Amino acid sequence: EVQLVESGGGLVQPGGSLRLSCAASGFTFSNYWMSWVRQAPGKGLEWVANIKEDGREKYYVDSVKGRFTISRDNANSSLYLQMNSLRAEDTAVYYCARDSGSAVTTSYWGQGTLVTVAS
Amino acid sequence: DVVMTQSPLSLPVTLGQPASISCRSSQSLVYRDGNTYLNWFQQRPGQSPRRLIYKVSNRDSGVPDRFSGSGSGTDFTLKISRVEAEDVGVYYCMQGTHWPLTFGGGTKVEIK
Repeated sequence: EVQLVESGGGLVQPGGSLRLSCAASGFTFSNYWMSWVRQAPGKGLEWVANIKEDGREKYYVDSVKGRFTISRDNANSSLYLQMNSLRAEDTAVYYCARDSGSAVTTSYWGQGTLVTVAS
Repeated sequence: DVVMTQSPLSLPVTLGQPASISCRSSQSLVYRDGNTYLNWFQQRPGQSPRRLIYKVSNRDSGVPDRFSGSGSGTDFTLKISRVEAEDVGVYYCMQGTHWPLTFGGGTKVEIK
């Protein structure tokens, strides 16, 4: 059974940093693009970042470029999102997804982790 | 960025009746490989999103056949042939052709 379990969310002050983790199991992690998608409270979905199977290609939405870094550890089947210089508008539930946006294989999503940026 | 526009915003439906959601993109979603990466997601209340349809019209595993997707270029439609109570939630179209990947604003399906 495929499982994606996010962790690392919490309350952080504006300008602060947070590192999200996603532990994957039930599939060969190194064979899939992975992504982070977020959803602000009561709002729609926003695709934040993608990373290729080997970690050599990464894509970011403009609003997080230069502040967020997506990475992966294939040996430990883990996905990460390092978030620096956090802003109030980064407040959201962050989902880890086994999906590149153009995947034809089954798309799997975690349950999400809430990040709240406030003073 | 590609803007995805969904309509309607809200869709009250009688159980057993059909429902249709429209999605339009601000530019063609045909990728250089000839594929059109238009997906549909369902988000039930309190749950994570779940992909229903990929590449316009392909149902994901386990998705009931009452869900169908169609369209081409810039105009796409998700249809539910007979709405059931478990279909309540918000539906999003999403394009995977152009970076940044973008979602429509969502359509809330509720039972009348």
